[in-house]
Amino acid sequence: QKEVEQNSGPLSVPEGAIASLNCTYSDRGSQSFFWYRQYSGKSPELIMFIYSNGDKEDGRFTAQLNKASQYVSLLIRDSQPSDSATYLCAVENYGGSQGNLIFGKGTKLSVKP
Amino acid sequence: EAGVAQSPRYKIIEKRQSVAFWCNPISGHATLYWYQQILGQGPKLLIQFQNNGVVDDSQLPKDRFSAERLKGVDSTLKIQPAKLEDSAVYLCASSLGGTSDEQFFGPGTRLTVL
Repeated sequence: QKEVEQNSGPLSVPEGAIASLNCTYSDRGSQSFFWYRQYSGKSPELIMFIYSNGDKEDGRFTAQLNKASQYVSLLIRDSQPSDSATYLCAVENYGGSQGNLIFGKGTKLSVKP
Repeated sequence: EAGVAQSPRYKIIEKRQSVAFWCNPISGHATLYWYQQILGQGPKLLIQFQNNGVVDDSQLPKDRFSAERLKGVDSTLKIQPAKLEDSAVYLCASSLGGTSDEQFFGPGTRLTVL
């Protein structure tokens, strides 16, 4: 059974701080990794994807990938109350069809003003 | 550009009843996905279509769930008969089709089975 594990939280950080969200996955063959944000009562929306080991930055967001450790993380710099949401880690289902993703349960982030 | 459309937005049924959900993907998107998201969990893929063909339905409970994608555009997901554990949000997503292509999600249908 392929698994994607996330700490469910809630993770609470003060406004302006760095929020660090972590994800581990079981399938060593997975090559593509995604972070989705889901506001309460809304549908998921893609924030970032990463394929290569190392860091990928997009504005206040940085995704980090370590395939040897089977670990993906998302850093949110200068956290804002509007960042309060559940963050879903999704991993390509290696050996499955293209676009076939396995989602973690999500980490709920709360940014306090 | 219009997003993924789904209907109905909410549905309440009794167990053993039938229900159907409809999805219209973004125009030109070849791949369509149906996900089930139970409260407190991440989305779970039920079925994936590429144009009008099924590419993955390994997690679809085929004894009660069925889905079709007519003419490679709209799709319908049906549950017959529904069980209490089917209470969830059913999300439809679409993408152009490659591994790296962003999946765009519709607003979802919240199903409550009593």
